[in-house]
Amino acid sequence: GENVEQHPSTLSVQEGDSAVIKCTYSDSASNYFPWYKQELGKRPQLIIDIRSNVGEKKDQRIAVTLNKTAKHFSLHITETQPEDSAVYFCAASSGAGSYQLTFGKGTKLSVIP
Amino acid sequence: DSGVTQTPKHLITATGQRVTLRCSPRSGDLSVYWYQQSLDQGLQFLIQYYNGEERAKGNILERFSAQQFPDLHSELNLSSLELGDSALYFCASSVVADSGNTIYFGEGSWLTVV
Repeated sequence: GENVEQHPSTLSVQEGDSAVIKCTYSDSASNYFPWYKQELGKRPQLIIDIRSNVGEKKDQRIAVTLNKTAKHFSLHITETQPEDSAVYFCAASSGAGSYQLTFGKGTKLSVIP
Repeated sequence: DSGVTQTPKHLITATGQRVTLRCSPRSGDLSVYWYQQSLDQGLQFLIQYYNGEERAKGNILERFSAQQFPDLHSELNLSSLELGDSALYFCASSVVADSGNTIYFGEGSWLTVV
């Protein structure tokens, strides 16, 4: 089945700096890669996603890049703010014929004011 | 609000007991997913249903079972509970079963086994 590795597990940045979280996946047939943000004790919320036919997608301060050849994708957050502090999860679809998302173990982002 | 409704929000029960968690998907969504999240752990996929039928199975224990009813709500049954089953259980839903569709999570059900 699909395996998703996420790094780093924790990340601290100064307010206003950029944050980058990287994920690799194992199944070359995976075609959908969402990112979720989870605040403490709350539900994961989708913040951005990318499909395998696109190399990059941007939404205001958040961007995601995908390298299908290397089987990795990254989340970029620019001009970080304290409210960006949360746990971020990457995920990958499990490929053709399968239907569940496989999640990385999460990155705890702390933005220091 | 994602539109996915889960009950109960909190549940405390003793080891060896059985509990049922309930989920109502977003209006129009046919697919329901169950995930388990233990303290400081990631999201472990348990099981998925699509329009009443089991579609995919993950790391679900034999003591756990689920079903999706004709009105599309789903229940996750956890039996012979152990201390290690204490976790946050999320239900999520999406429009179709295809893996490329966005899934939306409910607020979760906190289960504490004592």
